[in-house]
Amino acid sequence: QSVLTQPPSASGTPGQTVTISCSGSSSNIGTNSVNWYQQLPGAAPKLLIFTNNQRPSGVPDRFSGSRSGTSASLAISGLQSEDEADYYCAAWDDSLNCGVFGGGTKLTVL
Amino acid sequence: EVQLLESGGGLVQSGGSLRLSCVTSGFTLSTFAMSWVRQAPGKGLEWVAVISRNGGTTYYADSVRGRFTISRDMSKSTVFLQMNSLRADDTATYFCAKDQTPGADNYGSGSYYYWGQGILVTVSS
Repeated sequence: QSVLTQPPSASGTPGQTVTISCSGSSSNIGTNSVNWYQQLPGAAPKLLIFTNNQRPSGVPDRFSGSRSGTSASLAISGLQSEDEADYYCAAWDDSLNCGVFGGGTKLTVL
Repeated sequence: EVQLLESGGGLVQSGGSLRLSCVTSGFTLSTFAMSWVRQAPGKGLEWVAVISRNGGTTYYADSVRGRFTISRDMSKSTVFLQMNSLRADDTATYFCAKDQTPGADNYGSGSYYYWGQGILVTVSS
């Protein structure tokens, strides 16, 4: 059972906008920054969003993040087939004194 | 160019020990916190441990606290993960990850832009 809760799956058709949610608590998302990662099969994770809504250089602006209270979300607009991957949210937890990841969301592009 | 290269994985019996190494290059180790993240076969990511940029602070996941130790050797630009009392549920690919924010103290910023390729640890029961 992950400390951060994500839906196990999401799907959309090319061009659509998909949103992935991440629910936490006051000790993690409610207090600390949320980061999002994309992982393709057999590859290391790739940082997509840091500090809730910042994109590293090279990440398309189709990807956006937001945080409100103890929840966060990742939106992917103009969905493309190459976006098919696993997505993870992450944050620091002040009560556990450790980093925590969501369980991951498998995105399927139909 | 930043590079992180893990080694030291392999097959070990339950109760045994392994030491993972992450050789770093392209940046100054004393400027960034460094972490280990693992992924069991077919499962999600699990944060394991972090060492602060000055090496004075470490944090661990509950699942490994007391069994794993993160450390570093500045002279070798290397971060280590000493894993003792290994259990079958420690079987995973272990990734070394570099914190994104230079100069961030304590656990860093918690965001990782650079990752190693991962090293497989298999614990047989």
